[in-house]
Amino acid sequence: EAGVAQSPRYKIIEKRQSVAFWCNPISGHATLYWYQQILGQGPKLLIQFQNNGVVDDSQLPKDRFSAERLKGVDSTLKIQPAKLEDSAVYLCASSLRGSNQPQHFGDGTRLSIL
Amino acid sequence: DQQVKQNSPSLSVQEGRISILNCDYTNSMFDYFLWYKKYPAEGPTFLISISSIKDKNEDGRFTVFLNKSAKHLSLHIVPSQPGDSAVYFCAASPPKPSNTGNQFYFGTGTSLTVIP
Repeated sequence: EAGVAQSPRYKIIEKRQSVAFWCNPISGHATLYWYQQILGQGPKLLIQFQNNGVVDDSQLPKDRFSAERLKGVDSTLKIQPAKLEDSAVYLCASSLRGSNQPQHFGDGTRLSIL
Repeated sequence: DQQVKQNSPSLSVQEGRISILNCDYTNSMFDYFLWYKKYPAEGPTFLISISSIKDKNEDGRFTVFLNKSAKHLSLHIVPSQPGDSAVYFCAASPPKPSNTGNQFYFGTGTSLTVIP
């Protein structure tokens, strides 16, 4: 089966600019996650969707980050305006509906803020 | 507050020997645990899972052990191969309502090097 697809793979922007990332989950996976992974740390959950509804966005910096999954399939994550501390790898993951299902990750987007 | 900890940033093992990667957690409500393997410039790849009703789960060369009383899990790789060289993350999740999926907390990773 095809894995989680993410684009772009790399992005370099200046602070205060905006950027968007795209994710297409594994077919049939109802749950979609966006994570931020800063160098030397583990992934940190930003937002979790179940179909097109938000399940958990408690760690999403809502003053600058937004995400949507309008049709319950692919998703976009946006940062506007970007800050230096947003430099990280942004990972998308998906899982089947239900509890105790492993998450499957895409290869991520590496964001560098100048 | 880091709820999942991997206290060894790196580990080196000879090819053919056993690799043991450790993970500790603080939240006694965690009941589902995963191990991921990550190569540079790639996303984490799911390796093996265990739920709190078991204390051991095995898949080929990979075995995960769970000690609930100590809030500790470990991943054993036997025998270790050079291709196992990667960063390994453990992740833990509390119980979730059945339709909403788990929320995982990740450790900071252990970099394993298997020396040929």
